Amino acid sequence: QVQLVQSGAEVKKPGSSVKVSCKSSGGTFSTYAISWVRQAPGQGLEWMGGIIPIFGTADYAQKFQGRVTIIADESTSTAYMELSSLRSEDTAVYYCARGLGGKIDYWGQGTLVTVSS
Amino acid sequence: DIQMTQSPSSLSASVGDRVTITCRASQGISNYLAWFQQKPGKAPKSLIYGASSLQSGVPSKFSGSGSGTDFTLTISGLQPEDFATYYCQQYNNYPYTFGQGTKLEMK
Repeated sequence: QVQLVQSGAEVKKPGSSVKVSCKSSGGTFSTYAISWVRQAPGQGLEWMGGIIPIFGTADYAQKFQGRVTIIADESTSTAYMELSSLRSEDTAVYYCARGLGGKIDYWGQGTLVTVSS
Repeated sequence: DIQMTQSPSSLSASVGDRVTITCRASQGISNYLAWFQQKPGKAPKSLIYGASSLQSGVPSKFSGSGSGTDFTLTISGLQPEDFATYYCQQYNNYPYTFGQGTKLEMK
């Protein structure tokens, strides 16, 4: 059974960065895409970007270009999402999700990132 | 970016009812359309991909249809555990975009 286990909740100051991890187990890591999706409090889902570990290059939503970096470590089956220049509007639950060809089959449990001074 | 518009935004129904949620894309996306269910405080759950294919383990009470720009999710024989928020998502073009969600509430 595939499991995606994310790192714990974070509280960050405005202007700082946060790095969230997503460790995959129970299935193939390298050839499946890992997407990052966020959800602000009471709001809908927003796709931020994704990566296929075996290829190594990530695609990002234009909205986050220049502020987000997604990488994958095949040796540990772990993907990471780093978001910089944090502002209060970045307060959200961040999810990683796995899939093939764009479709998502499994989700991580979510990581709450709170941006507050 | 492709805009995904769901209707209705909220829906009230009773146990045993059959309900349909629609999702419209601002441009054609073939059948690259997924549906997700989310309960409060939980991660989304994948229900349908390819507009009409059920994810493994998803009961057949859920069904999807459509192609191009217009899609539907139908849930038959509503049970208490089906009351949740449902999202569609297109994965035909980057950035992959979601509908705004449809909250299914118990009448």
